[in-house]
Amino acid sequence: ELKVEQNPLFLSMQEEKNYTIYCNYSTTSDRLYWYRQDPGKSLESLFVLLSNGAVKQEGRLMASLDTKARLSTLHITAAVHDLSATYFCAVGSMDSNYQLIWGAGTKLIIKP
Amino acid sequence: DTGVSQDPRHKITKRGQNVTFRCDPISEHNRLYWYRQTLGQGPEFLTYFQNEAQLEKSRLLSDRFSAERPKGSFSTLEIQRTEQGDSAMYLCASSLAGGRVNQPQHFGDGTRLSIL
Repeated sequence: ELKVEQNPLFLSMQEEKNYTIYCNYSTTSDRLYWYRQDPGKSLESLFVLLSNGAVKQEGRLMASLDTKARLSTLHITAAVHDLSATYFCAVGSMDSNYQLIWGAGTKLIIKP
Repeated sequence: DTGVSQDPRHKITKRGQNVTFRCDPISEHNRLYWYRQTLGQGPEFLTYFQNEAQLEKSRLLSDRFSAERPKGSFSTLEIQRTEQGDSAMYLCASSLAGGRVNQPQHFGDGTRLSIL
């Protein structure tokens, strides 16, 4: 059974600092997604990672995938307050073409 | 692209009542998903439609839950004989058609259900 673990679950950091959120998963998968959720808002797609070594960047966020280690990272560079949100990773189940298994989310607070 | 629309935004009901939620996906998307999310957790998959066909249901889904997508456009999720544990945010998502299943899902704002 596929399980997805994110850490840390909560992160408070200062602006301009760098940090990394980790997403580990327990069985083989061929697709991994990162989403952002603001309080009371919908989930917003950030990145889709499909192959080993994939790296995607958008602004101050960079996501990477290591399928051999079953690990994805979301790296935040020079954080700004606007990046405060909860970040989720979701991993595709090999038992299903459609089902995603989600991590519990990392609540990120960036202080001025 | 008007986004995924869900109605109502909030629903408060007494235990034992039936509730129905509606989801209107992005118009060109033929894939539609329902999820449940509780506080401090990630979304939990409930069911998936491709056009009007319900292709997958979570094995954790109670018989009290039923979903339809009669014309391959909007979808409804009904919960019968609601219980306290049904209190959650119910999310709908849609994604693009095509051979690959790797397109990201676009989420609505959800329906928050509170059971008294």
